[in-house]
Amino acid sequence: GQSLEQPSEVTAVEGAIVQINCTYQTSGFYGLSWYQQHDGGAPTFLSYNALDGLEETGRFSSFLSRSDSYGYLLLQELQMKDSASYFCAVAPSQAGTALIFGKGTTLSVSS
Amino acid sequence: NAGVTQTPKFRVLKTGQSMTLLCAQDMNHEYMYWYRQDPGMGLRLIHYSVGEGTTAKGEVPDGYNVSRLKKQNFLLGLESAAPSQTSVYFCASSSGTGVTYEQYFGPGTRLTVT
Repeated sequence: GQSLEQPSEVTAVEGAIVQINCTYQTSGFYGLSWYQQHDGGAPTFLSYNALDGLEETGRFSSFLSRSDSYGYLLLQELQMKDSASYFCAVAPSQAGTALIFGKGTTLSVSS
Repeated sequence: NAGVTQTPKFRVLKTGQSMTLLCAQDMNHEYMYWYRQDPGMGLRLIHYSVGEGTTAKGEVPDGYNVSRLKKQNFLLGLESAAPSQTSVYFCASSSGTGVTYEQYFGPGTRLTVT
């Protein structure tokens, strides 16, 4: 089967750093994506890793280890507006088939 | 450039009624998708399309049908609605090229079946 595992909830305070882990088990793998969804809103793309290593985009970074079937999203200098759900998603094959999403991690940032 | 739009935004149906959800995109994307989102379940793929005139089943296709007669539109139909189909439905599209597999999502349709 195909599955992605990520924590259901994470809490942190403003200014802190938080890491959201994602482990996957899929029949094929072309890359790991991360999406953000604010309450009541549409998911929006954050990052994509096809190769092992760290990708940095501003305060957000994403890491992938293909050998460990593992990745994480790192959020630095947390702000209240970062409170949202974060989904990891696997591209199991080349473009043309849909992503497989994890169940999401709800991040709550407090002051 | 409106991106991905969905019609309607909200709908309440009685069990057994039918309806069609419309998704439109103006980015000339080849690929389009329909997902449902239920609390604690993440996004689950219902059906998808890799081009005009083509459709394929996703993870949870039962009770739904789709059509992609025009490249920019992807319709999701419920022939006989059931309470289990109460959910938020998201449409998405992607170009199929490039290396990020980025999907662009519509604002969602909140459907309640009573």
